[in-house]
Amino acid sequence: KAGVTQTPRYLIKTRGQQVTLSCSPISGHRSVSWYQQTPGQGLQFLFEYFSETQRNKGNFPGRFSGRQFSNSRSEMNVSTLELGDSALYLCASSDGTGKSNYGYTFGSGTRLTVV
Amino acid sequence: AQRVTQPEKLLSVFKGAPVELKCNYSYSGSPELFWYVQYSRQRLQLLLRHISRESIKGFTADLNKGETSFHLKKPFAQEEDSAMYYCALNQAGTALIFGKGTTLSVSS
Repeated sequence: KAGVTQTPRYLIKTRGQQVTLSCSPISGHRSVSWYQQTPGQGLQFLFEYFSETQRNKGNFPGRFSGRQFSNSRSEMNVSTLELGDSALYLCASSDGTGKSNYGYTFGSGTRLTVV
Repeated sequence: AQRVTQPEKLLSVFKGAPVELKCNYSYSGSPELFWYVQYSRQRLQLLLRHISRESIKGFTADLNKGETSFHLKKPFAQEEDSAMYYCALNQAGTALIFGKGTTLSVSS
């Protein structure tokens, strides 16, 4: 099976702009979750989508939003970018049942730099 | 509050020495725990899942509910084990709560 694909790999944006990141899960997986990875805070959960519905949400401001399409691909949007949003954004794919022996499979991430 | 604690930021050992990466958790309910590993320039990948009770690359981890721990162990470290290791708790089957991670450095 093809792995989890995240695009783009790198992004440089200016403060105040908005950005959209994309994640294509493993074929057949219906759950996509997003994480922010920074040196100071480590890996923090943003939100999870299953069959186009948000099932869980982390403790991030409303500037961070997401959606999932009928083909399970997911997008994450960050509006009004701040310098502190600079991070590696990871998405993870799973079958969504919580019962798979493979747990969550991660993509390579999108490195966002806000200047 | 649900939380995962990895008390060591860095663990340095010599090749052939035993390794124990500590992980403690706080969770009200029946926990499901993972160890993930991130080698240099590679993506985060699953190493162990406590439910499967298997040994991967010589690593094992046992869930101790009394001590709320899920420590990762390997009897003889190899240089290729050098990586960042994350302990993670499955939250309702929809999210992972990660510890801050421990960098394992194995030198010869």
